[in-house]
Amino acid sequence: AQSVTQPDIHITVSEGASLELRCNYSYGATPYLFWYVQSPGQGLQLLLKYFSGDTLVQGIKGFEAEFKRSQSSFNLRKPSVHWSDAAEYFCAVGARDSGYSTLTFGKGTMLLVSP
Amino acid sequence: EADIYQTPRYLVIGTGKKITLECSQTMGHDKMYWYQQDPGMELHLIHYSYGVNSTEKGDLSSESTVSRIRTEHFPLTLESARPSHTSQYLCASSATPYEQYFGPGTRLTVT
Repeated sequence: AQSVTQPDIHITVSEGASLELRCNYSYGATPYLFWYVQSPGQGLQLLLKYFSGDTLVQGIKGFEAEFKRSQSSFNLRKPSVHWSDAAEYFCAVGARDSGYSTLTFGKGTMLLVSP
Repeated sequence: EADIYQTPRYLVIGTGKKITLECSQTMGHDKMYWYQQDPGMELHLIHYSYGVNSTEKGDLSSESTVSRIRTEHFPLTLESARPSHTSQYLCASSATPYEQYFGPGTRLTVT
């Protein structure tokens, strides 16, 4: 079965500094990978996705992520963090099971942005 | 902008009551999902549907049931609420298998 590990429960970054959130996955085949963001009291919003092709994918709000098969990783990056980026970030892997396709999520990383 | 709605947003209810959490989407998506989310934990898929009259249980055992009589509507029902059901419930829909759009969630507290 597939799984996702987000090793950092909380990360604090100064406004304007760069950001990298880590994500490692376990899946036997080529994974479909996603990053979602959840603001307080809200549902999840898709930031970006990787299906195939270029391993560096661009998303909304200035985020990007790089798929590294050799490291089973899909880390999320942003060059300059804004206070509005404070939220919880979830990495997910898509897998097929018995003909259906589902997402498996990590436990999330809470991003705090300091002035 | 995704149009997926959940009502109520917050619900406090006593043990033993029957409750239905509503989820509706206006995007015409055939795939819909229910997740359970607890603080500091990953989202767990509890039910999903790939179309009208099609429902499946997810990877987390749940005492809830779902129905899919109309494409746009995917309600979740608890016949007898218990304190262990206290959680946040997120509904999602998608046209493709993976690119899911989420509603704002229902935070349920069972006393």
